[in-house]
Amino acid sequence: GAVVSQHPSWVICKSGTSVKIECRSLDFQATTMFWYRQFPKQSLMLMATSNEGSKATYEQGVEKDKFLINHASLTLSTLTVTSAHPEDSSFYICSARRQGGMNRGLANTEAFFGQGTRLTVV
Amino acid sequence: LAKTTQPISMDSYEGQEVNITCSHNNIATNDYITWYQQFPSQGPRFIIQGYKTKVTNEVASLFIPADRKSSTLSLPRVSLSDTAVYYCLVGPLLYNFNKFYFGSGTKLNVKP
Repeated sequence: GAVVSQHPSWVICKSGTSVKIECRSLDFQATTMFWYRQFPKQSLMLMATSNEGSKATYEQGVEKDKFLINHASLTLSTLTVTSAHPEDSSFYICSARRQGGMNRGLANTEAFFGQGTRLTVV
Repeated sequence: LAKTTQPISMDSYEGQEVNITCSHNNIATNDYITWYQQFPSQGPRFIIQGYKTKVTNEVASLFIPADRKSSTLSLPRVSLSDTAVYYCLVGPLLYNFNKFYFGSGTKLNVKP
């Protein structure tokens, strides 16, 4: 089946530095990818929608200058946490949907999620 | 997008059948119901998806009544490895840019 891969799986950085997280769709093209953030014992919160060839769209309350998203190709989206602070420490997860077709009997698209990236800012 | 309501947590024992119900009173005509499983420090994993009536695959069944205002995920004979958080998501799926918003999920704890 389709796979979405994230890199790195975990990262520790110093406060004030920037961290880049990559999300790749391995066997399908993803014109749209989604970035989520998950704090301990909480649900996933959608941060933004990454669009290939155009600007990302951010959910209300998410700082676009803080979380830079670049969808450089049909298989790669990157999330850069700029000037990271301890409160940005979280589990970041990306997702991509394969467009159309019958997949495992589904008439519509299925969302695949990366394995997540654990960011710790010290 | 239709808001979903699930029990926060459930306990079960190995070998039992577990049914997790999700309420989605405001589901729209073009909305599908999808269930995901998430283990700690991992991304969610697809379990099952349906639109109406009953859907069954190798791991679960999904029951959807005629009014589609709720759905029930059924896990047959659970094992310890089924301990996870289960999310019910409702929304349109026609296009790859359709978003998924997660609700609170149900923490299933399977005991020996």
